[in-house]
Amino acid sequence: AQSVAQPEDQVNVAEGNPLTVKCTYSVSGNPYLFWYVQYPNRGLQFLLKYITGDNLVKGSYGFEAEFNKSQTSFHLKKPSALVSDSALYFCAVRHLFNSGTYKYIFGTGTRLKVLA
Amino acid sequence: EPEVTQTPSHQVTQMGQEVILRCVPISNHLYFYWYRQILGQKVEFLVSFYNNEISEKSEIFDDQFSVERPDGSNFTLKIRSTKLEDSAMYFCASSVGQGRTEAFFGQGTRLTVV
Repeated sequence: AQSVAQPEDQVNVAEGNPLTVKCTYSVSGNPYLFWYVQYPNRGLQFLLKYITGDNLVKGSYGFEAEFNKSQTSFHLKKPSALVSDSALYFCAVRHLFNSGTYKYIFGTGTRLKVLA
Repeated sequence: EPEVTQTPSHQVTQMGQEVILRCVPISNHLYFYWYRQILGQKVEFLVSFYNNEISEKSEIFDDQFSVERPDGSNFTLKIRSTKLEDSAMYFCASSVGQGRTEAFFGQGTRLTVV
């Protein structure tokens, strides 16, 4: 069964410091991996995805993620955190049904708190 | 930037009542989804919808749930007889295609069953 794990419930980082939010996955076949962010009272906003190609994927708001096949990881990173990055971050893997449609399997979420 | 919109943002209903949650997907999207998130738990898939029919549904999506696209713009989730355990945030999502394309989510409807 496909799954993702986000081992940290919360990550605290000082403004201006680099941040990492961890995600590991378990899939059969090639993984399609996604990061979403949820701000208070807002929906899930797409940040970036890995489908194929370069292991370093760049996304919105200066975020990037590194796909590591040997470690089955897809960690979200940003070189310099902003207070406005404080939010709930979800890693997700695409599950493909036999019908050809898909769903996301989400991790439990990691709350990022950037301290001024 | 186009977005998925959901109404209402918060709905309180009595146990046993019917509720309809409404969504307007992005206009050129063809695939529609409902997910839910019980407080403190994971975001879970409920159902996917394409070409005016359900493509897939989870075990959560039992006979009490139904979806409809009544016109060219709205996509609704109906819960026929709500239970306390239906209290959750319900997210609508849409995507232009499958596979490599990402889904776009609405801001959610918080359903509280009392």
